Amino acid sequence: DAGVIQSPRHEVTEMGQEVTLRCKPISGHDYLFWYRQTMMRGLELLIYFNNNVPIDDSGMPEDRFSAKMPNASFSTLKIQPSEPRDSAVYFCASSFGLAGGSQETQYFGPGTRLLVL
Amino acid sequence: AQSVAQPEDQVNVAEGNPLTVKCTYSVSGNPYLFWYVQYPNRGLQFLLKYITGDNLVKGSYGFEAEFNKSQTSFHLKKPSALVSDSALYFCAVRDASGGSYIPTFGRGTSLIVHP
Repeated sequence: DAGVIQSPRHEVTEMGQEVTLRCKPISGHDYLFWYRQTMMRGLELLIYFNNNVPIDDSGMPEDRFSAKMPNASFSTLKIQPSEPRDSAVYFCASSFGLAGGSQETQYFGPGTRLLVL
Repeated sequence: AQSVAQPEDQVNVAEGNPLTVKCTYSVSGNPYLFWYVQYPNRGLQFLLKYITGDNLVKGSYGFEAEFNKSQTSFHLKKPSALVSDSALYFCAVRDASGGSYIPTFGRGTSLIVHP
């Protein structure tokens, strides 16, 4: 398996523009997570899905952020409109189940480095 | 509620010396504990975890961690550090007794191994 795939790897945009980040989880994984990493705030969980259904989006900073998972192999995180303070590295991760044992390991993608000017 | 603390922002060690990266946790029930490593410009990679059983857990790249219930700690250790171990290390905890099914990550500790 190729692991978790994220695109684009780098994104530079101007304030006010729409940004869409994409993620393909590992095949067979039923949990998908979106994280944001900044120097100031560290690693923050934004939202997670189970079997394509959003379970907890309490980490989503505001209404400008939205996430979807239309099927088991694809998810998007959208920011509209983008602001300079959204600049960060956004990670997608997936895992298989939450029952303890080997299933609890999260596999992270390489991240998307977003810069909003 | 579950929480995790990594009291050191940065740890410096000379190559060949033993290293320790500290982690303490707080949960209501029993903990599931994890260590992840992040190399520059990469995503986090799983190193090891404690679910149950032996308190000493062995993981990838020669790392190990010791679960200490009385001290609520799960420190990461390696007997002999390598320059290539320089990276950002994250501890995470999940309360196995319910509540959140998602682990909470610490803020990370930057490990710098000097040649």
